Amino acid sequence: QKEVEQNSGPLSVPEGAIASLNCTYSDRGSQSFFWYRQYSGKSPELIMFIYSNGDKEDGRFTAQLNKASQYVSLLIRDSQPSDSATYLCAVPPMDSSYKLIFGSGTRLLVRP
Amino acid sequence: NAGVTQTPKFQVLKTGQSMTLQCAQDMNHNSMYWYRQDPGMGLRLIYYSASEGTTDKGEVPNGYNVSRLNKREFSLRLESAAPSQTSVYFCASSVLGSTDTQYFGPGTRLTVL
Repeated sequence: QKEVEQNSGPLSVPEGAIASLNCTYSDRGSQSFFWYRQYSGKSPELIMFIYSNGDKEDGRFTAQLNKASQYVSLLIRDSQPSDSATYLCAVPPMDSSYKLIFGSGTRLLVRP
Repeated sequence: NAGVTQTPKFQVLKTGQSMTLQCAQDMNHNSMYWYRQDPGMGLRLIYYSASEGTTDKGEVPNGYNVSRLNKREFSLRLESAAPSQTSVYFCASSVLGSTDTQYFGPGTRLTVL
């Protein structure tokens, strides 16, 4: 059983809409959560991380944690065509301080 | 700063051939990682090096070896390539550990025939 799950998509939204991406994780003790963005043919880049103590907003991006249901969300407000990419959720496992478990990613398409 | 660099960018091998993928970072990071990315599978950790002089297995280490040559460089070796190792390989680095931002190199696209 994969420890970090994401819907592969594609999630298609019109320009200006809110895009909501979800990620579920299996380890109830997980303390930190990362969102990476990967454009087609490029390498992943970090766009946001949160700790288990609360949600976080950074510009058009908001990361929210639901510990009871064990999922983390990434909301993108005022979506732009340039946001079209694959969004990868990543969670460090409790048994290692160095590993990072990635979900398979959700592809987002923002229609002009 | 160049960040994380990888060579080569593309490589085609025949089954049974060997090769080494090179990775270097100039950010003075302690931890370095090798991932492979296959369609629909996301990123899977092959090996990591928590600090200079140490290496450890990740999720999918079979068929690979690594060397942490110094603080800057972390190489990945395929001793006898197999078609199942056709993938895109990413090197990454972080200051220290998985709770820090990982910075990725541009990737190596490897095809094994």
